[in-house]
Amino acid sequence: GAVVSQHPSWVICKSGTSVKIECRSLDFQATTMFWYRQFPKQSLMLMATSNEGSKATYEQGVEKDKFLINHASLTLSTLTVTSAHPEDSSFYICSANFATGENTEAFFGQGTRLTVV
Amino acid sequence: EDKVVQSPLSLVVHEGDTVTLNCSYEVTNFRSLLWYKQEKKAPTFLFMLTSSGIEKKSGRLSSILDKKELFSILNITATQTGDSAIYLCAVGRFGNEKLTFGTGTRLTIIP
Repeated sequence: GAVVSQHPSWVICKSGTSVKIECRSLDFQATTMFWYRQFPKQSLMLMATSNEGSKATYEQGVEKDKFLINHASLTLSTLTVTSAHPEDSSFYICSANFATGENTEAFFGQGTRLTVV
Repeated sequence: EDKVVQSPLSLVVHEGDTVTLNCSYEVTNFRSLLWYKQEKKAPTFLFMLTSSGIEKKSGRLSSILDKKELFSILNITATQTGDSAIYLCAVGRFGNEKLTFGTGTRLTIIP
């Protein structure tokens, strides 16, 4: 199956600093990747759709300037949490779709646990 | 707006019991319904359902879709402690690669 790799798996940063999270499709090309956020005991909330070579599409309520997304190649999307604050502490997960036979399946990265202190 | 609702929100059963998890949805241009299992990190894929009435099975897990009544169930028989996880249901639409996730069901298996 397809593999999506996310890095780092966890990060602790000081309030006010920026953090970059990478999402790579290792054995396939992904023109579209997705970034999710998950709070404890809650489901995945889609933050934005990352489009290779163009601007990301953000979901309602997600600050574009706060969560910068860059999809510069067909195998890499990055999410930068700018000027992080404790309320940004969360589990961030990326995914990419891959066609398996007649259907398209979403493959997830390992996730990044961000703690802002 | 697309909606995916899972029930129950949490479930605690004893090892060996059988459980049924529910997922109902309202979505325009429905394409597929997917089930995922999430333990400590990222979700892992279980099933993708696109047609009504066709059961998909993998070991002790099985799932079926009813496109008329707009719901799916995930069954787990002879549960084991390793089945403890959050089970997520997601729905995909034609013309859009996004998935809409349900609230999840937290399943706990007691030895």
